[in-house]
Formats: sequence, structure tokens, C-alpha cells
Amino acid sequence: AQSVTQPDIHITVSEGASLELRCNYSYGATPYLFWYVQSPGQGLQLLLKYFSGDTLVQGIKGFEAEFKRSQSSFNLRKPSVHWSDAAEYFCAVGAQSGNTPLVFGKGTRLSVIA
Amino acid sequence: GAGVSQSPSNKVTEKGKDVELRCDPISGHTALYWYRQSLGQGLEFLIYFQGNSAPDKSGLPSDRFSAERTGGSVSTLTIQRTQQEDSAVYLCASSLEDRVQYFGPGTRLTVT
Repeated sequence: AQSVTQPDIHITVSEGASLELRCNYSYGATPYLFWYVQSPGQGLQLLLKYFSGDTLVQGIKGFEAEFKRSQSSFNLRKPSVHWSDAAEYFCAVGAQSGNTPLVFGKGTRLSVIA
Repeated sequence: GAGVSQSPSNKVTEKGKDVELRCDPISGHTALYWYRQSLGQGLEFLIYFQGNSAPDKSGLPSDRFSAERTGGSVSTLTIQRTQQEDSAVYLCASSLEDRVQYFGPGTRLTVT
């Protein structure tokens, strides 16, 4: 069965510090991978996606993620966090064959302190 | 262009009542999804429409839940005889063939 694990429920970082949010997936084939961000009371906004090709993908707001097939991971990184990055982050996996529902991790809540 | 819209944004209902939640997808998007987000949980898939194909209802938690999509556009999720465990945020998303799902702001349902 497909599954996504985000091992960190809550992370606190200082403004200006680097960030890495972990995501591990279990999938029977090569997946499509996504990171979404959700601010309080808002829907989900796509940060970045991996379909194929270069395993390091760039997204919006200065985020990047690296697909590592050998580790079944798709970790999200940002070199310098801003206070406005405080939000909930969700990793998701989808099938390559057609539009299908995504399987989401339970999310990581990011707090940013001064 | 306009994104995915959902209405109402908030709904408070009494246990046992029926509720209808509406989703307006991005114009031209062929696929439409409903997810449920409960407190402390990730997003749980409910139902999925793709073009004119029969919907994938495999995620619906009980027969009290149903959804329809009229004219390949607007969708309504109906919950009959609501229970307190139905309290959650219900999110709708739509996509084209590129498989990127765009989400609406959600409807927060509270069953008292």
C-alpha cells in the first residue's frame, strides 16, 4: 500500500536558519512527489513537484527538494527561513499513470522564532 | 485566473442533520477530488471524478457520504445524518492532465 511518512510532527527553527523537513514514501512504482504548504485557515499551496529528470527540484519561496530513490525520500530544504514560512507542510505521493488521488503524510508544523 | 472555490467556508450543524458542501473547480479542469482533513491528521481521500468516467468512491467512510459532479464542473459533497466524527475541514482540489492538484480554501464543518 502507498504511504507517506513525515517523522517530525513539529519543528521550531530560528529565523535565518536552514531548514530540512523529512519525507519518506512507500510506493510500488516510481511515484510523482509533491510538497504542499498550508497556512492557518487556508487551503494547500503547491511548493514543488518531482515527476522525472533532475532529482533536485526548485520550488516557490526559495524551497527545494531532493528525490533519493535509494532512500525512498523526498526531503524539503530551505537555506534561510523567514518568519512567514511558519505553516504546516505536507508531503504527498501520486501515481505516474493518470490523474489519481494523492496520498499525504500527516504534515510537519513549522514554527519560526526570532 | 480564478482558483478553486468552496462554499460555505464554515458550517455548523446539529447531529443528525444533512449538509451539502460545494466545490467550483478551476475552469477546464477535468479531474476533481474531495479530501477530508481532521484535527491532527493528514488529508484523507474521499472521492474522485475524472471526466465522464464513473467516480472513484473508494475513500468514502460510510454510505452517509455521497458526491456528484454536474456538467463536468461543480461538485457537491453531501453528508447525511451527520455525526460528531464528521467534524473536519473538507478540501476540494482539481487538476488537468498534468496531475498537479490545486486546492480550494476548504469548508470547516462542525457537528454539535
